[in-house]
Amino acid sequence: GAGVSQSPRYKVAKRGQDVALRCDPISGHVSLFWYQQALGQGPEFLTYFQNEAQLDKSGLPSDRFFAERPEGSVSTLKIQRTQQEDSAVYLCASSSPREVEKLFFGSGTQLSVL
Amino acid sequence: GNSVTQMEGPVTLSEEAFLTINCTYTATGYPSLFWYVQYPGEGLQLLLKATKADDKGSNKGFEATYRKETTSFHLEKGSVQVSDSAVYFCALRSGTSGTYKYIFGTGTRLKVLA
Repeated sequence: GAGVSQSPRYKVAKRGQDVALRCDPISGHVSLFWYQQALGQGPEFLTYFQNEAQLDKSGLPSDRFFAERPEGSVSTLKIQRTQQEDSAVYLCASSSPREVEKLFFGSGTQLSVL
Repeated sequence: GNSVTQMEGPVTLSEEAFLTINCTYTATGYPSLFWYVQYPGEGLQLLLKATKADDKGSNKGFEATYRKETTSFHLEKGSVQVSDSAVYFCALRSGTSGTYKYIFGTGTRLKVLA
């Protein structure tokens, strides 16, 4: 595709619901990152994939957060039993093996937990 | 641990004014340094980067020099335009191919008035 695509663009969940956020990276991009961005803050690292392997998940805030990338392309970030503090914009970024230091970001999914 | 500190905004300038946005970092080893920009309604995009000490990154009239002695990577532009209004994020990347982690500052909002 032309860029990193994230869906849905907006998600409203009731506290306690499970949500799934999708990221479709640029074709051929090996590295994929998830970030959480609170209002007025910079992106905070959540997790990193290289192909289908999740090499770093040290930023996931609790065991309610789970990410996968089973075929090394599309990735899903799942949040179970959402809490109000999970409200944020979730950003996905990918990079090419030929230009590993250039991240391409999606527009993000804005999650609001009521 | 690694961290990035950038000046708080918002920064409001008149068109053609000189811009400086300060950024300092704390890191072990020799990180790569970046400036990302987020225009209204868009995803973050790479503005410029520098991978080693004394390197100067430049793009679209913006410049930043990797200063190891002062652990800084300040963003400058000689003459800003209204179209430069955006949020600017300083970032560093540390680790190796198995443990890439980008750390972002909190962002500085720039508003340029005609």
